[in-house]
Amino acid sequence: QQPVQSPQAVILREGEDAVINCSSSKALYSVHWYRQKHGEAPVFLMILLKGGEQKGHEKISASFNEKKQQSSLYLTASQLSYSGTYFCGSMTSANAGGTSYGKLTFGQGTILTVHP
Amino acid sequence: EAGVVQSPRYKIIEKKQPVAFWCNPISGHNTLYWYLQNLGQGPELLIRYENEEAVDDSQLPKDRFSAERLKGVDSTLKIQPAELGDSAVYLCASSYRDSTGELFFGEGSRLTVL
Repeated sequence: QQPVQSPQAVILREGEDAVINCSSSKALYSVHWYRQKHGEAPVFLMILLKGGEQKGHEKISASFNEKKQQSSLYLTASQLSYSGTYFCGSMTSANAGGTSYGKLTFGQGTILTVHP
Repeated sequence: EAGVVQSPRYKIIEKKQPVAFWCNPISGHNTLYWYLQNLGQGPELLIRYENEEAVDDSQLPKDRFSAERLKGVDSTLKIQPAELGDSAVYLCASSYRDSTGELFFGEGSRLTVL
């Protein structure tokens, strides 16, 4: 089932902060965050794993609340280059050996626009 | 390092015509994905390969869609016959099997069915 993102759109001025939320109705193994600019490929930002491990972008942070099955992406001191559509992807299973990954299901996206 | 390469970038066809998309993943990536992205929506998984094996094709409409990944490298996604509702961007992605799970996407193939 598709995770739900909020808000659907955000408009900021340079230097302002934003938070994008992602909620799942199923227990999560991991949450992935991607950014896609218009007409381009989605680009990996961040992955948060069950158990608290976090890897990703140095200027963007995220949290993962396993109990609430939610993740939030924090963009601080936004830059013009942050504009784009942000997708969270939820993964609800992985093989027991951890060597293969289950299905990654993406949310509907949050459109972020940063103005000068 | 070269990224995921897809072709064609754009394709316009009439309904009921066949169409094929090609994907060359990043060298060494064992896992390959085909996603469908409708305008204003997130990518939806069509099929996932690990090497030559399709490990998840539950979302692939098998009556008209087919895919193959010969020799565990390049992959082809085919639609025959195409319908108006198939107009979308078809994204290919690849990843290391035992990586953090990061997916590397190609720029996609935009299909317009008239």
